[in-house]
Amino acid sequence: DAGVIQSPRHEVTEMGQEVTLRCKPISGHDYLFWYRQTMMRGLELLIYFNNNVPIDDSGMPEDRFSAKMPNASFSTLKIQPSEPRDSAVYFCASSLAGRTQETQYFGPGTRLLVL
Amino acid sequence: QKEVEQNSGPLSVPEGAIASLNCTYSDRGSQSFFWYRQYSGKSPELIMSIYSNGDKEDGRFTAQLNKASQYVSLLIRDSQPSDSATYLCAVNIRNTGNQFYFGTGTSLTVIP
Repeated sequence: DAGVIQSPRHEVTEMGQEVTLRCKPISGHDYLFWYRQTMMRGLELLIYFNNNVPIDDSGMPEDRFSAKMPNASFSTLKIQPSEPRDSAVYFCASSLAGRTQETQYFGPGTRLLVL
Repeated sequence: QKEVEQNSGPLSVPEGAIASLNCTYSDRGSQSFFWYRQYSGKSPELIMSIYSNGDKEDGRFTAQLNKASQYVSLLIRDSQPSDSATYLCAVNIRNTGNQFYFGTGTSLTVIP
């Protein structure tokens, strides 16, 4: 299996621009998670989906952030408009349901820099 | 109070020594506990999971869980320079779905 795939791997943009991050989970996994990691705050859960349905988006910082999962093999995280404080590494992870299968597998991350 | 707490370190140990990493959690209902390793510039990767009180060993790694005291630890025996990384503790607190809470991580350096 190719693992979790994220694109782009690096993104540099200017404040005010729209940013779209993409994720392809491991085939067959029914949970998908979006995290943000910074030195100050560590790894923070933004939102997660189960069977393409958003379950908990309480970690989404504000209305500028939105996430979608139109099908089982694709999800997007959009920031519009972007701000310098959004600069971070954004990870997507996927897992299977069930207690002993709940290991989360992380993608390589997207390193976002907003100037 | 954060759901999962770890000492940020940095923790330095000489090569061949035992490295001990600790984590505490707030929700007594938690049942699933995980240790992830993250090399600089890379994504977290799972190294251990533990569900029952006691010890679980996997090669040079031992995870220890004490639900009464609400802590989980990771021991790395015969530490190697390649073990130098940040170690993240994760807990499935709510036991619904697969939502994890992560600690902020402990930075470990193994000195050759």
